[in-house]
Amino acid sequence: ELKVEQNPLFLSMQEGKNYTIYCNYSTTSDRLYWYRQDPGKSLESLFVLLSNGAVKQEGRLMASLDTKARLSTLHITAAVHDLSATYFCAVVTWTGNQFYFGTGTSLTVIP
Amino acid sequence: DAMVIQNPRYQVTQFGKPVTLSCSQTLNHNVMYWYQQKSSQAPKLLFHYYDKDFNNEADTPDNFQSRRPNTSFCFLDIRSPGLGDAAMYLCATSRGGQGQWNEQFFGPGTRLTVL
Repeated sequence: ELKVEQNPLFLSMQEGKNYTIYCNYSTTSDRLYWYRQDPGKSLESLFVLLSNGAVKQEGRLMASLDTKARLSTLHITAAVHDLSATYFCAVVTWTGNQFYFGTGTSLTVIP
Repeated sequence: DAMVIQNPRYQVTQFGKPVTLSCSQTLNHNVMYWYQQKSSQAPKLLFHYYDKDFNNEADTPDNFQSRRPNTSFCFLDIRSPGLGDAAMYLCATSRGGQGQWNEQFFGPGTRLTVL
């Protein structure tokens, strides 16, 4: 059974601080996705990581993928309140058709 | 704009009364997915269609069924909703296969309340 785990599950951080969210998965996959979800809303795609060593950056968020370690990270730089949301990683099976989501990390940025 | 549309956005039904949720897409994607997401939990894949090929997750209850009459539309039928079926239901699409750009696009979701 494919398992995707994130940590931490809950993260409260002060504005201006840096932090990293981790996503571990149990099966071979060379594609990983990060999503953001605001309360009561659907999922918004943040990053698509397509190969080992891939790094993507958008604003204060940077995502990376290590397929050998089966690990992806989402790094937050100088957090601002607008980043408060739940962040999910998702892994795709080898067929490319089944997406399995991590447990989610609920991020709260406090002044 | 190409998009994934879900109707209705909010659905209230009674315990045991069948309900159908609708999803349509203008992306012409091969794969359509249905997820169930309960409060503070990750989306859980219920099933997906690759074209007309239906793929059910092993732990999806029989109470949940799906239909895909054509490429653009996919329906989620809940035959006898229980209180535990109250959740956000998310529809998503993707191009399918192992292609490099096989990204998943989500609709806005339907929030189901069971009374």
